[in-house]
Amino acid sequence: SQTIHQWPATLVQPVGSPLSLECTVEGTSNPNLYWYRQAAGRGLQLLFYSVGIGQISSEVPQNLSASRPQDRQFILSSKKLLLSDSGFYLCAWSALLKGEKLFFGSGTQLSVL
Amino acid sequence: AQSVTQLDSQVPVFEEAPVELRCNYSSSVSVYLFWYVQYPNQGLQLLLKYLSGSTLVKGINGFEAEFNKSQTSFHLRKPSVHISDTAEYFCAVSASGTYKYIFGTGTRLKVLA
Repeated sequence: SQTIHQWPATLVQPVGSPLSLECTVEGTSNPNLYWYRQAAGRGLQLLFYSVGIGQISSEVPQNLSASRPQDRQFILSSKKLLLSDSGFYLCAWSALLKGEKLFFGSGTQLSVL
Repeated sequence: AQSVTQLDSQVPVFEEAPVELRCNYSSSVSVYLFWYVQYPNQGLQLLLKYLSGSTLVKGINGFEAEFNKSQTSFHLRKPSVHISDTAEYFCAVSASGTYKYIFGTGTRLKVLA
């Protein structure tokens, strides 16, 4: 069966420090991969998605970047964190076909202080 | 571009009463529509989805939703709610030609005893 791993679960970082959140999927090939940020009252904001290795679509211009170095690995990064980067980050995957459901990871609560 | 509006941020309802959670979308092309649920301290999971065909879609836990193209709506309903239905519900849309999933801001359903 397919599983999605996301870590760490909780992260506290100072302003100006770098960030790297990792997400991996097991049990499937060629998944579509997604990064969302969930904030109270704002729902889930799509940050990045990828339909293949090295293919990244950015939805929100901001202080973050994403990379997909391997088929089932998706990384969210920042060179210098801002206070506004605090939030709950969710990784998700779907099968390659359009209209397939998303499977979500357990999320990372990021606090930038 | 697609967008989703969930006008009700919170909906309180008594146990065994019916409930309707509203979702309206905007898109210039045909869409796929989804409802996800996030129980307290749990990840998001799919309740139901509409891809094509019958406009009335039945999902898990007794929920159903009706796709109304003329009103660009996809409201979620349950005839009799339980305490265990207390959760946050998210409506999502995906344009049929894309891999993007856009979520609404969510509706917190609180079922009262």
